[in-house]
Amino acid sequence: NAGVTQTPKFQVLKTGQSMTLQCAQDMNHEYMSWYRQDPGMGLRLIHYSVGAGITDQGEVPNGYNVSRSTTEDFPLRLLSAAPSQTSVYFCASSYRQATYEQYFGPGTRLTVT
Amino acid sequence: AQRVTQPEKLLSVFKGAPVELKCNYSYSGSPELFWYVQYSRQRLQLLLRHISRESIKGFTADLNKGETSFHLKKPFAQEEDSAMYYCAFTSGSARQLTFGSGTQLTVLP
Repeated sequence: NAGVTQTPKFQVLKTGQSMTLQCAQDMNHEYMSWYRQDPGMGLRLIHYSVGAGITDQGEVPNGYNVSRSTTEDFPLRLLSAAPSQTSVYFCASSYRQATYEQYFGPGTRLTVT
Repeated sequence: AQRVTQPEKLLSVFKGAPVELKCNYSYSGSPELFWYVQYSRQRLQLLLRHISRESIKGFTADLNKGETSFHLKKPFAQEEDSAMYYCAFTSGSARQLTFGSGTQLTVLP
């Protein structure tokens, strides 16, 4: 099993550009989530999903969209990139009954200039 | 709002010395607390959870409801313990994990 995969690993965007960060898992997990990791602030939840077709906002959802059309995939879309979105983004998944044990992807390092 | 505080951003200890990483939470109900660890060039992973009361890689953590703390301890630190440690929290029916800001532990030879 590949676990949780994320693409790309690195990305540089100009302010105003849009892009999609890809996340996929092959563990048949119902729960998937996106976090951003910033120095001194830990991991903050952006959006999460408890199953296909169901998404909800986390702590810092502004500027990001998600959708969950399949169990396996949970892409994160940046609509109009801003320098404040420069961060490391992590996707994670877990069983719905055990969201405390999340399996993390390797992360995407995004820089917005 | 529930919150997790890790007061130390950086912590350095010598190999063989005891280590304690502090975590405090604010929540009036019954929380569930966890420690996650991220070793260099590895993915963030669950280290231990308070409810299991187990020792993982020599680390233990006790939930102290009176002091609202969940400090991570190890009596004899090893160089391979060097990593970023995050305290995390969830409660009741909430589905989200709330993470602290993390403590970077360095174990010196």
